[in-house]
Amino acid sequence: DTAVSQTPKYLVTQMGNDKSIKCEQNLGHDTMYWYKQDSKKFLKIMFSYNNKELIINETVPNRFSPKSPDKAHLNLHINSLELGDSAVYFCASSQVIGSGAGNEQFFGPGTRLTVL
Amino acid sequence: GQNIDQPTEMTATEGAIVQINCTYQTSGFNGLFWYQQHAGEAPTFLSYNVLDGLEEKGRFSSFLSRSKGYSYLLLKELQMKDSASYLCAVKPRGSNYQLIWGAGTKLIIKP
Repeated sequence: DTAVSQTPKYLVTQMGNDKSIKCEQNLGHDTMYWYKQDSKKFLKIMFSYNNKELIINETVPNRFSPKSPDKAHLNLHINSLELGDSAVYFCASSQVIGSGAGNEQFFGPGTRLTVL
Repeated sequence: GQNIDQPTEMTATEGAIVQINCTYQTSGFNGLFWYQQHAGEAPTFLSYNVLDGLEEKGRFSSFLSRSKGYSYLLLKELQMKDSASYLCAVKPRGSNYQLIWGAGTKLIIKP
């Protein structure tokens, strides 16, 4: 059973197109995240949702729009794709338990986006 | 600002011991995580420290000194499969959700 799954795993598309990436977690977690990892391997947080509510919205172009239909799903829609959007996008989830241990993030396998 | 520093790359020999350091400057401190990421794969959780001292988990141990803003990950009896990037991440005070991530240390194991 896959804990955090993402589709598609690979996405190759032309500049200017609109695309979506889907994420689902079956861990019963209340918080989900989208990260971008570029060629330098730096993980950059983009968005986070807690119980379907947007709680982290970093400086990301408004071409990127997350959507959480329920706490097990967090999708990412990208409009007017640009070359610089090429990266690996990771979805993650965690269960927030106060400020103590146990709220490590579990990552999906990643979506490799290539914009031509 | 918030900053996490790790060496970019390290090389070690199979069977040996390696220590990967992480120093951080964040707005308060609420815990430090180490993750392992193999090439082309997702990060996976290794350890969590919130109090000073050493946490041991099999061949891997993680140490924290909050007063020095310093942590290290110690890998013993290195195996070829330990070749990966190791990411340090800090949870700032007041944050239940956001982690500040280091750029990762690429560890190369040689026979």
